[in-house]
This record gives sequence, structure tokens and C-alpha cells, in this order.
Amino acid sequence: QSVLTQPPSVSGAPGQRVTISCTGNSSNIGAGYDVHWYQQLPGTAPQLLIYGNSNRPSGVPDRFSGSKSGTSASLAITGLQAEDEADYYCQSYDTSLSALFGGGTKLTVL
Amino acid sequence: QVQLVQSGAEVKKPGASVKLSCKASGYTFTTYAMHWVRQAPGQSLEWMGWINGGNGNTKYSQKFQGRVTITRDTSASTAHMELSSLISEDTAVYYCARVLAGEIDYWGQGTLVTVSS
Repeated sequence: QSVLTQPPSVSGAPGQRVTISCTGNSSNIGAGYDVHWYQQLPGTAPQLLIYGNSNRPSGVPDRFSGSKSGTSASLAITGLQAEDEADYYCQSYDTSLSALFGGGTKLTVL
Repeated sequence: QVQLVQSGAEVKKPGASVKLSCKASGYTFTTYAMHWVRQAPGQSLEWMGWINGGNGNTKYSQKFQGRVTITRDTSASTAHMELSSLISEDTAVYYCARVLAGEIDYWGQGTLVTVSS
């Protein structure tokens, strides 16, 4: 099991809004470490989607947004599109500076 | 542009070791750290360890401690990851990934390692 907990799957219709949660504890997210999000399309390497809890790299649509509160973080996707169907992973660190990944969430666009 | 080019696919027998390489270009290698992350078929991402590109300091996941060694060759701008005592559960795609300020901003293309008798 991953230390960072994500729902295994979420789904939504085109145009809808979905959120993906990432729950940690006081030794990782709650200790103040930033949360980053990655999108992985089938058969490809992950790509950075959100960094530093809520920042988007250039080229990432503003339909994607991130937030963090306490020991958890969330990724929100608005105006869902078919091309958003992918696996999403959160990532942070713990107090020993080990990197942590969430278990991943498969997004299905209905 | 930044590129991380990994070595080719490997097939190993149980008990053997594998050493993968990741050649970086397009940036100053010693300025950034490098993670190694693996992904078993149909599974999630799993962090293995990282190396400071400048001083060579390493940090390994407790799960792989004693079995993994990450090194770098600054003259070749290349990071290496060696995993020993391979078992079938080590079959996975292995990625190297550049660390910016905690986040991974560039990933290698991945190397498939298959462990099979």
C-alpha cells in the first residue's frame, strides 16, 4: 500500500468537474511538504501536471488545479474532456526526505 | 532541450543483477538531483531512490535498501541504477527522472526489465 492514499478510480461525463484526493499524514503532507501531481497516459511516462500544491507548468490547461490543506491535497479537473482519460498520481516527501507516490487514480471520461 | 535517454530493455534471470543508465542532456547535470522510479505492469509508481547530481549523495527507499545502488558519472552526465538479487516481482519499467524543486519535471522514456527463468 502507498503511504499517500488516492481513490482507485473516478469518472465523469464530458464537461463535468471531478476531483481526486491525496491523503497523507503528519510525517509527509502534514509536515509541510509540497504535493505534486502527474498525469500518465497509457504506455507513456508520467508528466508533471501540478507542482508546489497549486502551480501549473506552462502548457497545462487552467482546467487543472490543485490545492492542499492539512494532511491532504486535491486535484480538480473542470470541463472534462476525452483526452483527460489517464492515470493521475500525487507525490510528496516524508521527514526522511524519501519521495512518496500515491497509489494512482484512473480517470474515466464517460 | 532537456532529455533523459535510458538504456535498452533487459532480460535477467532470478538472482542476477541489472544496471541501467540514464544519459542527461540539455542542462547542467550536477545542478539537479535524479530520482529512480519503477512501475510494475498495471501497478502504480514506486520510488526507489535518488542521487544528488552535484555531490553524489544518495537516499534509498527502505524497501530497496541493500539491493539498490545509484551512482553518477558527471563526466558523462549519466546516472546509473543497479538492482541486485532480482526476483520476478522486479519485472517493471524503470524510469529516471530529474528533480527540480521537489517535483519531477522531466522523465526518461523508461527501461523495461523482465526477470524470468
